[in-house]
Amino acid sequence: DAKTTQPPSMDCAEGRAANLPCNHSTISGNEYVYWYRQIHSQGPQYIIHGLKNNETNEMASLIITEDRKSSTLILPHATLRDTAVYYCIVDSGGSNYKLTFGKGTLLTVNP
Amino acid sequence: DTAVSQTPKYLVTQMGNDKSIKCEQNLGHDTMYWYKQDSKKFLKIMFSYNNKELIINETVPNRFSPKSPDKAHLNLHINSLELGDSAVYFCASSQDRPGSHEQFFGPGTRLTVL
Repeated sequence: DAKTTQPPSMDCAEGRAANLPCNHSTISGNEYVYWYRQIHSQGPQYIIHGLKNNETNEMASLIITEDRKSSTLILPHATLRDTAVYYCIVDSGGSNYKLTFGKGTLLTVNP
Repeated sequence: DTAVSQTPKYLVTQMGNDKSIKCEQNLGHDTMYWYKQDSKKFLKIMFSYNNKELIINETVPNRFSPKSPDKAHLNLHINSLELGDSAVYFCASSQDRPGSHEQFFGPGTRLTVL
């Protein structure tokens, strides 16, 4: 069972920031928060991950609350190509880790 | 250059047949995985191999047998195909070292069993 809860769908206007929430209230101290996305008919794509601190890369920012029970993925300037299912995953990482995908959030970016 | 590749992209076959799906990664990674995405779009891990050794086997039927001839390849052989095997199968790879967290996925193989 997935350890995360995400809204099933969200809309965002092109050029605006997309803020995707995720609840992971049972996260353990050694578990990371990962975000992946799956554009229609393609393989999942890694976006970002974090442990405690906020993280930013060329694709997105990840904001993790101080109690680590929830996080938000931010796409600063959403484009039509960002329309995809976004998965928030909690895992301890390491050499034998497996990604347990939930239902994710379908983000639709509208022109 | 394709990082993780799978062949074939589409596979249509009859019930009872035996088929194989091939996966290759040119990233030099130590760990490879097979995931299955069913018609309801749930993605679930099936197997993972680390340096040709089976690490994860998620109670997949014995009809599914992964084979890793070397670190760069992880093939999936399926015997006696059933209707319920119809799905998209994704191969993935990752590097086995501290601090490495990203899994790279292939484009998927859509298997249809008639």
